[in-house]
Amino acid sequence: DAKTTQPPSMDCAEGRAANLPCNHSTISGNEYVYWYRQIHSQGPQYIIHGLKNNETNEMASLIITEDRKSSTLILPHATLRDTAVYYCMGGYSTLTFGKGTMLLVSP
Amino acid sequence: DTGVSQNPRHKITKRGQNVTFRCDPISEHNRLYWYRQTLGQGPEFLTYFQNEAQLEKSRLLSDRFSAERPKGSFSTLEIQRTEQGDSAMYLCASSPKTYTGALKFYNEQFFGPGTRLTVL
Repeated sequence: DAKTTQPPSMDCAEGRAANLPCNHSTISGNEYVYWYRQIHSQGPQYIIHGLKNNETNEMASLIITEDRKSSTLILPHATLRDTAVYYCMGGYSTLTFGKGTMLLVSP
Repeated sequence: DTGVSQNPRHKITKRGQNVTFRCDPISEHNRLYWYRQTLGQGPEFLTYFQNEAQLEKSRLLSDRFSAERPKGSFSTLEIQRTEQGDSAMYLCASSPKTYTGALKFYNEQFFGPGTRLTVL
């Protein structure tokens, strides 16, 4: 599985877009980029995944660079309930979580 | 509730005792995964099943750990001769089979609430 690098923490004002970066320079050609989040005391929650193209769903957008070495998760209008640890991973059928980014959304 | 369920939610045991956790995946999900999470760290993969077959085991899964999924539905994770270092949250996840054309994927994992183990 690809090794990923994420900032340990980020802040975002409520209602603004949260842009969470991830470097995955060792990702291989057939590995997907996955994003999950974990709200305190809960199990992780799937957000989105992609291979090469940008993806969007009801929760977020995923922008993957053309060389696939990095990606950005975008929460378009962050709310207080989006405060969580966000994990970026490269993988195929199993997930290797790092320490993630602690996103704090403030009023 | 049709999500992944885990029992018990909390378990306190003395060092040297055996413990068993149960995971009930979402119905018809083919794959079932076990993870362990310690404070301040992300979840660590332990093992996964496709139906009743255990397809992969992490090096973290010592010989004191055993997991089963006898009928391809629920799964159990047993830890024998528990040690204080086994104290952690044990997470279970399941995933459905999806298709992109003729290709089969298991991309989205649905996690349960976890079982918190404390070994005294």
